[in-house]
Amino acid sequence: QQQVKQSPQSLIVQKGGISIINCAYENTAFDYFPWYQQFPGKGPALLIAIRPDVSEKKEGRFTISFNKSAKQFSLHIMDSQPGDSATYFCAASIAMNRDDKIIFGKGTRLHILP
Amino acid sequence: GAVVSQHPSWVICKSGTSVKIECRSLDFQATTMFWYRQFPKQSLMLMATSNEGSKATYEQGVEKDKFLINHASLTLSTLTVTSAHPEDSSFYICSARDRSYNSPLHFGNGTRLTVT
Repeated sequence: QQQVKQSPQSLIVQKGGISIINCAYENTAFDYFPWYQQFPGKGPALLIAIRPDVSEKKEGRFTISFNKSAKQFSLHIMDSQPGDSATYFCAASIAMNRDDKIIFGKGTRLHILP
Repeated sequence: GAVVSQHPSWVICKSGTSVKIECRSLDFQATTMFWYRQFPKQSLMLMATSNEGSKATYEQGVEKDKFLINHASLTLSTLTVTSAHPEDSSFYICSARDRSYNSPLHFGNGTRLTVT
């Protein structure tokens, strides 16, 4: 119940295309859903995050879509660029403002073709 | 924005020696820091939660005597890999959260440990 299932494991997208990564969770107590971007040899960096009281959040080319009833959320990268090639992790936690641990998905390796 | 500094970024040590990794929050105070281990092409595995002024909480299967964690101040936590063996070779990452309300988790840039 503590798992966050992420798919696909790897993704190849043409430059300018839309990259879509999906995640699903079971624990309805989760109330904070961040996405992290990680480049090789670096730590993850927070990309965008959403709370379950909204169905969508957009920041530049990055959009999170959230479906509370289905317990699913996804990351959309519009106009994908080669510089977006990285590993993306979805995550979930309970009460972001406390010291609760974040549960990570297994990651998606995204490669944008030039 | 909030910065978490991790040092060293890479270290090579001989089998049987100990290695200390530092994690500092540079512009905020963190009552809690987290330590992760990441194998190539895999997700982050939480090893332990480091609480300032108290003992760390270790995840199941993580040896607390092997991975010593000290969180002596609101800006510094250290992870010491004791009596390192080649199987301890990995990418270790720390993260910290600002103690203020509604703040996100920030990660260090990781430490690549190679035990020969």
